[in-house]
Amino acid sequence: QSALTQPASVSGSPGQSITISCTGTNNDVGSYNLVSWYQQYPGKVPKLMIYEVTKRPSGVSNRFSGSKSGNTASLTISGLQAEDEADYYCCSYAGTSTFVVFGGGTKLTVL
Amino acid sequence: QVQLVQSGAEVKTPGSSVRVSCRPSGGTLSTYTFSWLRQAPGQGLEWVGDIIPVLGLSNYAQSLQGRVTITADESTTTAYMELSGLRFDDTAVYYCATERNSWSFDSWGLGTLVTVAS
Repeated sequence: QSALTQPASVSGSPGQSITISCTGTNNDVGSYNLVSWYQQYPGKVPKLMIYEVTKRPSGVSNRFSGSKSGNTASLTISGLQAEDEADYYCCSYAGTSTFVVFGGGTKLTVL
Repeated sequence: QVQLVQSGAEVKTPGSSVRVSCRPSGGTLSTYTFSWLRQAPGQGLEWVGDIIPVLGLSNYAQSLQGRVTITADESTTTAYMELSGLRFDDTAVYYCATERNSWSFDSWGLGTLVTVAS
């Protein structure tokens, strides 16, 4: 059982927007603006998409955006494209005892 | 971003130990913080621990505390993750990654499959 809770799957049609939620607690997501999101294709290496809740690394499309409210962080993908179909994982810093926690992952299907 | 070169796949028996290496190409260890993460077959990501080579400081996941040791050798420009007392559920792909100051992981190695089997 993962420390952060994500929906197992989400889906959307090309051009639409989808949002993936990531719910934690006051010990992780709620206490630190250190949430990151990763995209992973089957059999491939994870790729950093968002860090520090809202920041995009160089080269990541601006169709990807992050936000946070309370203990829940969210990843929004706008203008959905077929190439966005992948697994997405959220991650949060959780203090000097636990350090890092992940969500269980969300499978995005582009219909 | 930096390219991270990891060692090859390993097959180990229960109770034994494994050491996986990670070398940044074209850089020195002191430039980075290195994290190790793992992913069991069909499962999600799990943080194993990290090391700040310039400080010689390591942090470990509570679930693996006592079994995992992460080290760095400047002379070979290589970071290592050693896991002892291997169990069947340690079977996973082990990734090394560089860690931004913000506890996020930007450059990843290709992963090393560690299989624990009798």
